[in-house]
Amino acid sequence: GQNIDQPTEMTATEGAIVQINCTYQTSGFNGLFWYQQHAGEAPTFLSYNVLDGLEEKGRFSSFLSRSKGYSYLLLKELQMKDSASYLCAVRDDYKLSFGAGTTVTVRA
Amino acid sequence: GAVVSQHPSRVICKSGTSVKIECRSLDFQATTMFWYRQFPKQSLMLMATSNEGSKATYEQGVEKDKFLINHASLTLSTLTVTSAHPEDSSFYICSAWTEIYGYTFGSGTRLTVV
Repeated sequence: GQNIDQPTEMTATEGAIVQINCTYQTSGFNGLFWYQQHAGEAPTFLSYNVLDGLEEKGRFSSFLSRSKGYSYLLLKELQMKDSASYLCAVRDDYKLSFGAGTTVTVRA
Repeated sequence: GAVVSQHPSRVICKSGTSVKIECRSLDFQATTMFWYRQFPKQSLMLMATSNEGSKATYEQGVEKDKFLINHASLTLSTLTVTSAHPEDSSFYICSAWTEIYGYTFGSGTRLTVV
């Protein structure tokens, strides 16, 4: 089975940095995705890691350690519009299994 | 980039009726379509995987006779919720997979069964 854990909620101040952790135990692994989702909307792709290490993309960075079954998404210079749910998803073959999502609230 | 058009975005139906949700890939061909369901504050749960021209593969616990999936062409996949009940009220979303574009999500359908 697939077990993907991430914190339920996080709150941070505008301009700050927030790190969202994701741990996974899955039967197979072909990569890990991070998505942003606003309520009632489709997920938006943020990052993809398949090898260990850090991937940087503007204000967003994602890290993966396959041996530890661990990833994190780093959001820098937080803006109010970053308030959303962030989903960690593990790819096994072609299927994606999602974590429950972390709701990030950015306060002024 | 790739776009998947999903309709309707919202639908309200009476208990016992059927509802059809369509996902169309625009400007690309999607041989594989995934269908998800998401309850409030919960994860996207994979319901089934459909491949063009073949029967859908359903995840454990998903009733294939209740959630009918058709993928008759490379640009259209449909999910029909038959004999809908209030507990089927949820957010349904499709995702097309291609080697070139990866996963492309539709915009989702909010189904409310009254």
